[in-house]
Amino acid sequence: DVKVTQSSRYLVKRTGEKVFLECVQDMDHENMFWYRQDPGLGLRLIYFSYDVKMKEKGDIPEGYSVSREKKERFSLILESASTNQTSMYLCASSSTTTFTDTQYFGPGTRLTVL
Amino acid sequence: SQELEQSPQSLIVQEGKNLTINCTSSKTLYGLYWYKQKYGEGLIFLMMLQKGGEEKSHEKITAKLDEKKQQSSLHITASQPSHAGIYLCGADDNQGGKLIFGQGTELSVKP
Repeated sequence: DVKVTQSSRYLVKRTGEKVFLECVQDMDHENMFWYRQDPGLGLRLIYFSYDVKMKEKGDIPEGYSVSREKKERFSLILESASTNQTSMYLCASSSTTTFTDTQYFGPGTRLTVL
Repeated sequence: SQELEQSPQSLIVQEGKNLTINCTSSKTLYGLYWYKQKYGEGLIFLMMLQKGGEEKSHEKITAKLDEKKQQSSLHITASQPSHAGIYLCGADDNQGGKLIFGQGTELSVKP
């Protein structure tokens, strides 16, 4: 079974802090994704990566950056956290070697910025 | 750009009843994915449909993709409290691996 893990289930930070959210997958997937999920807005794609050291902006990249130094790990960075970044953050991974784009999700990190 | 609309937005059913959730796309679907999300947790992959008219089942959940590949339905037979959660449909945007998602349908099952 595919396993996607995220470093924290719950996180509380203060405005202006630098925040790192880590995601690790154990299935050698090429693709990794970061989403945020907010009531009424659904899942919105922040950034994604097709390969090590490659990154692409999603629909809402402002205020975020990412890092993918190793294939299994994809980090989301909030350079200076703000209250409007309080949200549920979900990481996902998928493979390019299958005929489907099925994404497998981690358990999520609920981030609160005070 | 492609959009997915789910209906209903929320649903409350009595245990044992059947229910259907719909997902409608503004464009032809190249791949349609159904996920379930328990409250405050990540998404669990349920099923994927690709061919027009395709139907898949897992336990008491059946998903169908219409012939025109613009609408999918998720049907739960004899619902149980364990079916409660948020059901989301996702679609391949045909731009290389990205999915777009519907807003989700929140299902509550009353014992």
